[in-house]
Amino acid sequence: NAGVTQTPKFRILKIGQSMTLQCTQDMNHNYMYWYRQDPGMGLKLIYYSVGAGITDKGEVPNGYNVSRSTTEDFPLRLELAAPSQTSVYFCASSPLAGASYYNEQFFGPGTRLTVL
Amino acid sequence: AQSVTQLGSHVSVSEGALVLLRCNYSSSVPPYLFWYVQYPNQGLQLLLKYTSAATLVKGINGFEAEFKKSETSFHLTKPSAHMSDAAEYFCAVNNQAGTALIFGKGTTLSVSS
Repeated sequence: NAGVTQTPKFRILKIGQSMTLQCTQDMNHNYMYWYRQDPGMGLKLIYYSVGAGITDKGEVPNGYNVSRSTTEDFPLRLELAAPSQTSVYFCASSPLAGASYYNEQFFGPGTRLTVL
Repeated sequence: AQSVTQLGSHVSVSEGALVLLRCNYSSSVPPYLFWYVQYPNQGLQLLLKYTSAATLVKGINGFEAEFKKSETSFHLTKPSAHMSDAAEYFCAVNNQAGTALIFGKGTTLSVSS
């Protein structure tokens, strides 16, 4: 199993450009997540998905969009990139969640995005 | 409401010394607690997890953590630090719905020879 894979590893965008960060998992996990990590701030949840066709906002969704057409893929779209979106983005997946409260997550290697 | 507080954004120890990274949580539901480690330029890797089976949890690389409900704490320890332990460590707790994790701000561990 490759686990959670993310592409690209690095990207530089100009203000106003758009791009899609790709995330794929091969563990057949129902739950998938997008986080951003800024220095000294920990991880902030952007969006998550509980299964194909179902997504929901996290703590910091503004400026981002997601879709989930398959169990494996959970792309994150940035429209009209802004310098405030300069960050490291992590995708994660989880096999279990919900009523049991248990939510162990598996992380991808991250995408480092700079907006200039 | 769910939250996690990691005391100390930076901890420095000598090689061979005890490592103690502090985590306090707040939870209105049965908490599941996690410690993740992040090496430079890498993703997060699970160190250990508390799932209510045992209060003393052993993880990878010689780390362990003890769940103390009365103190709402889940501190991470290692008896003897190695240079390879230098990394950022994150404590996390499940959210109220069990649909996501809430992370602390992280503690950077430095190990000197």
